[in-house]
Amino acid sequence: EAQVTQNPRYLITVTGKKLTVTCSQNMNHEYMSWYRQDPGLGLRQIYYSMNVEVTDKGDVPEGYKVSRKEKRNFPLILESPSPNQTSLYFCASSPGTSGGGHDTQYFGPGTRLTVL
Amino acid sequence: SQKIEQNSEALNIQEGKTATLTCNYTNYSPAYLQWYRQDPGRGPVFLLLIRENEKEKRKERLKVTFDTTLKQSLFHITASQPADSATYLCALSGGSGGYNKLIFGAGTRLAVHP
Repeated sequence: EAQVTQNPRYLITVTGKKLTVTCSQNMNHEYMSWYRQDPGLGLRQIYYSMNVEVTDKGDVPEGYKVSRKEKRNFPLILESPSPNQTSLYFCASSPGTSGGGHDTQYFGPGTRLTVL
Repeated sequence: SQKIEQNSEALNIQEGKTATLTCNYTNYSPAYLQWYRQDPGRGPVFLLLIRENEKEKRKERLKVTFDTTLKQSLFHITASQPADSATYLCALSGGSGGYNKLIFGAGTRLAVHP
């Protein structure tokens, strides 16, 4: 089954404790991205990657890191989480033809993160 | 900066009626506009894509229009059903915003009552 998986689905942590949210897709997509979703603000892009070893900042990259060492995986790293990073996070992938932003996006199930 | 506006108030309609959702944008000339459906606690699911040179797109009970002069898209669900209740997001890409990013609106919640 074609899908995007994220782990963990729920995470409660404390300020400053490094964490990683994993994202994996099995569709051989080139384009992957991370979004955060907050009430009233909608989905905001954090980082995106157009291919292996190619990443770029989205609209809200501060406090986050990403890496793309393999085509299927795109982990999101919070080196020192703070309470304002409490949010619902989604990973998405798309085929990546001609940029990737206008392709159909396939979203993961989401990770609800709470930073105390 | 680029801005996308969707009605933040929930849209309540009776089963069988046509639901019409609005997406307005400013400071942007997108080449593509997409609509997604999101159920509570789940990731968005793609519904329709329309290009700037297309006025209208249909898929089963769904219809999308794209007016680049008004900077507006309308999303219609005909013969609505309670199962259509969800939040609907519009998203823009391409054109003046570049082809690498997709910008989402905050979404409009639709409630279809039996």
